[in-house]
Amino acid sequence: SQKIEQNSEALNIQEGKTATLTCNYTNYSPAYLQWYRQDPGRGPVFLLLIRENEKEKRKERLKVTFDTTLKQSLFHITASQPADSATYLCALGIGAGNKLTFGGGTRVLVKP
Amino acid sequence: SAVISQKPSRDICQRGTSLTIQCQVDSQVTMMFWYRQQPGQSLTLIATANQGSEATYESGFVIDKFPISRPNLTFSTLTVSNMSPEDSSIYLCSVEDLRVQETQYFGPGTRLLVL
Repeated sequence: SQKIEQNSEALNIQEGKTATLTCNYTNYSPAYLQWYRQDPGRGPVFLLLIRENEKEKRKERLKVTFDTTLKQSLFHITASQPADSATYLCALGIGAGNKLTFGGGTRVLVKP
Repeated sequence: SAVISQKPSRDICQRGTSLTIQCQVDSQVTMMFWYRQQPGQSLTLIATANQGSEATYESGFVIDKFPISRPNLTFSTLTVSNMSPEDSSIYLCSVEDLRVQETQYFGPGTRLLVL
């Protein structure tokens, strides 16, 4: 069966450290993978997109890697800040029509 | 970036009734999407709504339960029909983000509780 798995346990991390989140998928062949941030009571906000032919993407303190052999993406928040506390969702782009399939999300809590 | 509003922001409804959720975008967009996010869960796509055509529903969702209208390029409605407590969820609409192809811009969501 098709699955997108993110660590369901919350990630508690000290301010200034690097937070690393994983997104594993099975029985999918995505053309691209995206990461979103969701704060309580709000809709997700797009952060980064990485395509199947790309290994790494960066945006400010964020870095995403994509390994289509391992069927895994890693999402890094460097020099984390309390304001980075949120739930982070990965989403796969599969098929036509820009449809996204979301993982369960990982909650990150950055402690001062 | 697109500004998306949803009405109502939240509602409490009795089982057996129906609720229509509105999604308004401040710019014209071709593709709009409706998602459900059940408590503690991730987003599940209900349907894709393109202006001028019937909505396309994902597996497990049917038009009789979730009728969708898309009368123009800036507006859509999702109706949750004959509600039961299992329909308690957050319903979100989203649009394609033309700044970054293939990404989506989400509305704030409608929080629905069915008693």
